[in-house]
Amino acid sequence: DAKTTQPNSMESNEEEPVHLPCNHSTISGTDYIHWYRQLPSQGPEYVIHGLTSNVNNRMASLAIAEDRKSSTLILHRATLRDAAVYYCILRPHGSSNTGKLIFGQGTTLQVKP
Amino acid sequence: KAGVTQTPRYLIKTRGQQVTLSCSPISGHRSVSWYQQTPGQGLQFLFEYFSETQRNKGNFPGRFSGRQFSNSRSEMNVSTLELGDSALYLCASSLVRTGAYEQYFGPGTRLTVT
Repeated sequence: DAKTTQPNSMESNEEEPVHLPCNHSTISGTDYIHWYRQLPSQGPEYVIHGLTSNVNNRMASLAIAEDRKSSTLILHRATLRDAAVYYCILRPHGSSNTGKLIFGQGTTLQVKP
Repeated sequence: KAGVTQTPRYLIKTRGQQVTLSCSPISGHRSVSWYQQTPGQGLQFLFEYFSETQRNKGNFPGRFSGRQFSNSRSEMNVSTLELGDSALYLCASSLVRTGAYEQYFGPGTRLTVT
Protein backbone atom coordinates (compact mmCIF):
# COMPACT_ATOMS: atom_id res chain seq x y z
CA ASP A 1 0.00 0.00 0.00
CA ALA A 2 1.41 3.37 -1.03
CA LYS A 3 2.01 5.66 1.94
CA THR A 4 1.67 9.37 2.52
CA THR A 5 3.61 11.72 4.80
CA GLN A 6 2.05 14.77 6.40
CA PRO A 7 3.15 17.19 9.11
CA ASN A 8 1.68 16.29 12.48
CA SER A 9 0.22 19.74 13.09
CA MET A 10 -0.22 23.18 11.58
CA GLU A 11 -1.60 26.48 12.76
CA SER A 12 -3.46 29.11 10.86
CA ASN A 13 -5.19 32.39 11.55
CA GLU A 14 -8.86 32.74 10.81
CA GLU A 15 -9.69 34.07 7.32
CA GLU A 16 -6.20 33.40 6.04
CA PRO A 17 -5.35 30.75 3.42
CA VAL A 18 -3.97 27.41 4.61
CA HIS A 19 -1.73 25.12 2.60
CA LEU A 20 -1.60 21.55 3.89
CA PRO A 21 1.20 19.51 2.27
CA CYS A 22 1.35 15.80 1.59
CA ASN A 23 4.20 13.72 0.23
CA HIS A 24 3.51 10.48 -1.61
CA SER A 25 6.72 9.55 -3.38
CA THR A 26 5.69 5.93 -4.00
CA ILE A 27 2.42 6.83 -5.74
CA SER A 28 1.53 4.65 -8.70
CA GLY A 29 0.09 5.89 -11.96
CA THR A 30 -3.42 4.74 -11.09
CA ASP A 31 -3.60 6.09 -7.54
CA TYR A 32 -6.06 8.89 -6.89
CA ILE A 33 -5.12 11.42 -4.22
CA HIS A 34 -7.95 11.82 -1.72
CA TRP A 35 -8.30 14.23 1.19
CA TYR A 36 -10.62 13.73 4.12
CA ARG A 37 -10.97 15.62 7.35
CA GLN A 38 -12.31 14.65 10.72
CA LEU A 39 -13.85 17.22 13.01
CA PRO A 40 -13.94 16.45 16.72
CA SER A 41 -16.45 13.75 17.64
CA GLN A 42 -17.48 13.14 14.02
CA GLY A 43 -16.76 10.62 11.30
CA PRO A 44 -14.31 11.58 8.54
CA GLU A 45 -15.66 13.89 5.87
CA TYR A 46 -14.69 13.82 2.21
CA VAL A 47 -12.96 17.03 1.08
CA ILE A 48 -11.57 16.61 -2.42
CA HIS A 49 -9.74 14.22 -4.71
CA GLY A 50 -7.78 14.27 -7.95
CA LEU A 51 -5.56 12.26 -10.26
CA THR A 52 -3.23 14.54 -12.18
CA SER A 53 -4.79 17.96 -12.64
CA ASN A 54 -5.51 20.56 -9.98
CA VAL A 55 -9.07 20.38 -8.67
CA ASN A 56 -11.40 22.90 -7.09
CA ASN A 57 -14.65 22.45 -5.24
CA ARG A 58 -16.70 24.47 -2.80
CA MET A 59 -14.63 23.31 0.16
CA ALA A 60 -11.06 23.49 -1.06
CA SER A 61 -8.54 23.27 -3.88
CA LEU A 62 -6.10 20.47 -4.54
CA ALA A 63 -2.78 21.24 -6.17
CA ILE A 64 -0.93 18.21 -7.52
CA ALA A 65 2.76 18.34 -8.39
CA GLU A 66 3.68 17.55 -11.96
CA ASP A 67 5.47 14.35 -10.93
CA ARG A 68 2.53 13.51 -8.60
CA LYS A 69 4.88 12.81 -5.72
CA SER A 70 3.35 15.51 -3.60
CA SER A 71 0.13 17.46 -3.30
CA THR A 72 -1.24 20.41 -1.34
CA LEU A 73 -4.71 20.94 0.02
CA ILE A 74 -5.60 24.62 -0.02
CA LEU A 75 -8.27 26.13 2.20
CA HIS A 76 -8.72 29.59 0.78
CA ARG A 77 -10.05 31.27 3.93
CA ALA A 78 -9.78 29.25 7.09
CA THR A 79 -12.62 29.45 9.56
CA LEU A 80 -12.83 28.11 13.09
CA ARG A 81 -14.98 25.28 11.71
CA ASP A 82 -12.03 24.10 9.63
CA ALA A 83 -10.13 23.03 12.75
CA ALA A 84 -9.83 19.29 12.23
CA VAL A 85 -7.49 16.42 11.43
CA TYR A 86 -6.78 16.34 7.69
CA TYR A 87 -5.88 13.06 6.04
CA CYS A 88 -4.18 12.64 2.69
CA ILE A 89 -4.85 9.18 1.28
CA LEU A 90 -3.98 7.34 -1.92
CA ARG A 91 -6.84 5.32 -3.32
CA PRO A 92 -6.00 2.80 -6.04
CA HIS A 93 -8.14 2.75 -9.17
CA GLY A 94 -9.26 -0.60 -10.46
CA SER A 95 -7.39 -2.52 -7.79
CA SER A 96 -8.60 -5.07 -5.29
CA ASN A 97 -7.51 -2.60 -2.61
CA THR A 98 -9.58 0.29 -3.91
CA GLY A 99 -12.15 0.05 -1.12
CA LYS A 100 -9.48 0.11 1.57
CA LEU A 101 -8.44 3.57 2.68
CA ILE A 102 -5.17 3.61 4.60
CA PHE A 103 -5.26 6.45 7.11
CA GLY A 104 -2.00 7.85 8.48
CA GLN A 105 -1.82 10.16 11.47
CA GLY A 106 -2.95 13.15 9.43
CA THR A 107 -2.33 16.83 10.08
CA THR A 108 -4.09 18.47 13.01
CA LEU A 109 -5.04 21.96 11.90
CA GLN A 110 -5.54 24.58 14.56
CA VAL A 111 -7.26 27.79 13.52
CA LYS A 112 -6.77 30.81 15.71
CA PRO A 113 -9.30 33.66 15.85
CA LYS B 1 -30.20 12.68 -0.17
CA ALA B 2 -29.75 11.01 3.21
CA GLY B 3 -26.21 10.29 4.34
CA VAL B 4 -24.72 7.12 5.75
CA THR B 5 -26.55 6.05 8.87
CA GLN B 6 -25.23 3.79 11.60
CA THR B 7 -27.11 2.17 14.43
CA PRO B 8 -26.84 2.15 17.32
CA ARG B 9 -24.82 5.27 17.97
CA TYR B 10 -23.65 4.16 21.38
CA LEU B 11 -23.33 0.72 22.89
CA ILE B 12 -22.02 -0.69 26.15
CA LYS B 13 -21.22 -4.39 26.32
CA THR B 14 -19.53 -6.73 28.73
CA ARG B 15 -16.38 -8.68 27.95
CA GLY B 16 -17.22 -12.00 26.33
CA GLN B 17 -20.47 -10.85 24.77
CA GLN B 18 -21.02 -10.33 21.08
CA VAL B 19 -22.30 -7.27 19.25
CA THR B 20 -23.83 -6.45 15.87
CA LEU B 21 -23.53 -3.02 14.31
CA SER B 22 -25.58 -1.84 11.36
CA CYS B 23 -24.82 0.50 8.47
CA SER B 24 -27.15 1.87 5.82
CA PRO B 25 -25.22 3.39 2.89
CA ILE B 26 -26.26 6.34 0.80
CA SER B 27 -28.99 5.32 -1.62
CA GLY B 28 -27.45 3.87 -4.76
CA HIS B 29 -24.06 3.22 -3.21
CA ARG B 30 -22.96 -0.37 -3.55
CA SER B 31 -19.63 -0.44 -1.72
CA VAL B 32 -19.48 -0.42 2.06
CA SER B 33 -16.27 -0.33 4.08
CA TRP B 34 -15.81 -0.58 7.84
CA TYR B 35 -13.13 1.04 9.97
CA GLN B 36 -12.13 0.96 13.63
CA GLN B 37 -10.83 4.10 15.30
CA THR B 38 -8.99 4.06 18.61
CA PRO B 39 -6.78 6.71 20.22
CA GLY B 40 -3.75 4.44 20.05
CA GLN B 41 -4.08 2.95 16.55
CA GLY B 42 -5.98 5.64 14.73
CA LEU B 43 -8.26 4.69 11.86
CA GLN B 44 -7.81 1.12 10.70
CA PHE B 45 -9.54 -0.66 7.85
CA LEU B 46 -11.65 -3.66 8.84
CA PHE B 47 -13.28 -4.93 5.65
CA GLU B 48 -15.08 -3.93 2.47
CA TYR B 49 -18.20 -5.33 0.88
CA PHE B 50 -19.48 -4.93 -2.65
CA SER B 51 -22.41 -6.78 -4.22
CA GLU B 52 -22.84 -8.84 -1.05
CA THR B 53 -19.26 -10.16 -1.25
CA GLN B 54 -16.34 -9.34 0.97
CA ARG B 55 -13.72 -7.81 -1.32
CA ASN B 56 -10.99 -6.95 1.15
CA LYS B 57 -10.15 -7.57 4.78
CA GLY B 58 -7.83 -5.81 7.18
CA ASN B 59 -5.58 -7.33 9.83
CA PHE B 60 -8.15 -8.14 12.44
CA PRO B 61 -8.88 -11.46 14.15
CA GLY B 62 -11.64 -13.74 12.99
CA ARG B 63 -13.87 -12.47 15.81
CA PHE B 64 -14.61 -9.56 13.50
CA SER B 65 -16.96 -10.44 10.67
CA GLY B 66 -19.45 -8.74 8.46
CA ARG B 67 -21.94 -9.15 5.70
CA GLN B 68 -23.82 -7.14 3.13
CA PHE B 69 -27.41 -7.57 2.07
CA SER B 70 -28.97 -7.25 -1.37
CA ASN B 71 -30.06 -3.68 -0.60
CA SER B 72 -26.39 -2.83 0.18
CA ARG B 73 -27.03 -2.44 3.90
CA SER B 74 -24.22 -3.96 5.92
CA GLU B 75 -23.68 -5.36 9.36
CA MET B 76 -20.55 -6.14 11.26
CA ASN B 77 -20.31 -8.53 14.16
CA VAL B 78 -17.74 -8.84 16.90
CA SER B 79 -17.86 -12.00 18.96
CA THR B 80 -16.27 -12.67 22.34
CA LEU B 81 -15.69 -9.02 23.04
CA GLU B 82 -12.44 -7.92 24.62
CA LEU B 83 -11.67 -4.68 26.43
CA GLY B 84 -9.46 -3.65 23.50
CA ASP B 85 -12.45 -3.71 21.16
CA SER B 86 -13.68 -0.49 22.72
CA ALA B 87 -13.57 1.94 19.81
CA LEU B 88 -15.47 4.06 17.37
CA TYR B 89 -16.64 1.88 14.49
CA LEU B 90 -17.15 3.76 11.25
CA CYS B 91 -18.92 2.72 8.12
CA ALA B 92 -18.29 4.36 4.74
CA SER B 93 -20.10 3.96 1.45
CA SER B 94 -19.01 4.63 -2.09
CA LEU B 95 -20.89 4.56 -5.36
CA VAL B 96 -18.63 1.97 -6.92
CA ARG B 97 -15.25 0.40 -6.26
CA THR B 98 -12.85 2.73 -8.00
CA GLY B 99 -10.34 5.31 -6.86
CA ALA B 100 -12.24 7.91 -8.86
CA TYR B 101 -15.03 7.96 -6.30
CA GLU B 102 -14.99 9.21 -2.76
CA GLN B 103 -16.16 7.45 0.37
CA TYR B 104 -18.80 8.96 2.59
CA PHE B 105 -18.61 8.17 6.28
CA GLY B 106 -21.33 7.71 8.83
CA PRO B 107 -21.22 9.20 12.34
CA GLY B 108 -19.97 5.94 13.80
CA THR B 109 -20.99 3.62 16.61
CA ARG B 110 -19.18 4.15 19.88
CA LEU B 111 -18.65 0.74 21.49
CA THR B 112 -17.53 0.48 25.08
CA VAL B 113 -16.57 -2.92 26.47
CA THR B 114 -16.48 -3.24 30.24
